Amino acid sequence: RKEVEQDPGPFNVPEGATVAFNCTYSNSASQSFFWYRQDCRKEPKLLMSVYSSGNEDGRFTAQLNRASQYISLLIRDSKLSDSATYLCVVGSGNTGKLIFGQGTTLQVKP
Amino acid sequence: DVKVTQSSRYLVKRTGEKVFLECVQDMDHENMFWYRQDPGLGLRLIYFSYDVKMKEKGDIPEGYSVSREKKERFSLILESASTNQTSMYLCASSFPGQLQQPQHFGDGTRLSIL
Repeated sequence: RKEVEQDPGPFNVPEGATVAFNCTYSNSASQSFFWYRQDCRKEPKLLMSVYSSGNEDGRFTAQLNRASQYISLLIRDSKLSDSATYLCVVGSGNTGKLIFGQGTTLQVKP
Repeated sequence: DVKVTQSSRYLVKRTGEKVFLECVQDMDHENMFWYRQDPGLGLRLIYFSYDVKMKEKGDIPEGYSVSREKKERFSLILESASTNQTSMYLCASSFPGQLQQPQHFGDGTRLSIL
């Protein structure tokens, strides 16, 4: 079983739609959680950290469910520019290492 | 703003050559990482370093070595390049902490081994 699992998609949605991605992780001792965004042929960039209480940044909302060991990302009012691959990232231990999921691809269509 | 700079965006080398990939960060981060990214395999950790002259093997260290002589610089070395090392190489850095900190990536180096 992979340490961090994501549905690779692609998710094809029209502009203005709401889309949600889920991610599960296997290590119950994990302590840090992030969503990264990666555009085609570019480097991953931090989208947002995920906190236990859930957090929101504009159209983006992240949730953490420790009991079920999953993380979610909700994107409201999708824009064409949201088209990218979204990486779920989990950290545990004290080495600074992060475990990256393989990513979920989102295509927003006009 | 964090800046992680990789020495080359594109690089073409021949089988058997010794290849050096350089990475420099300007945020005084203790932790530095080297990954490779291949279609269908995601990001895989090659080596990381949490201090000058310190290094730890990641998940796929075979065929690679690293050097961290200065805090801001982390070099990845392909001792004898092979075609299966053709890939996108990404360097990242982060602060240490009791909780893992987000990593900041360089632009990546697309390396082709012919």
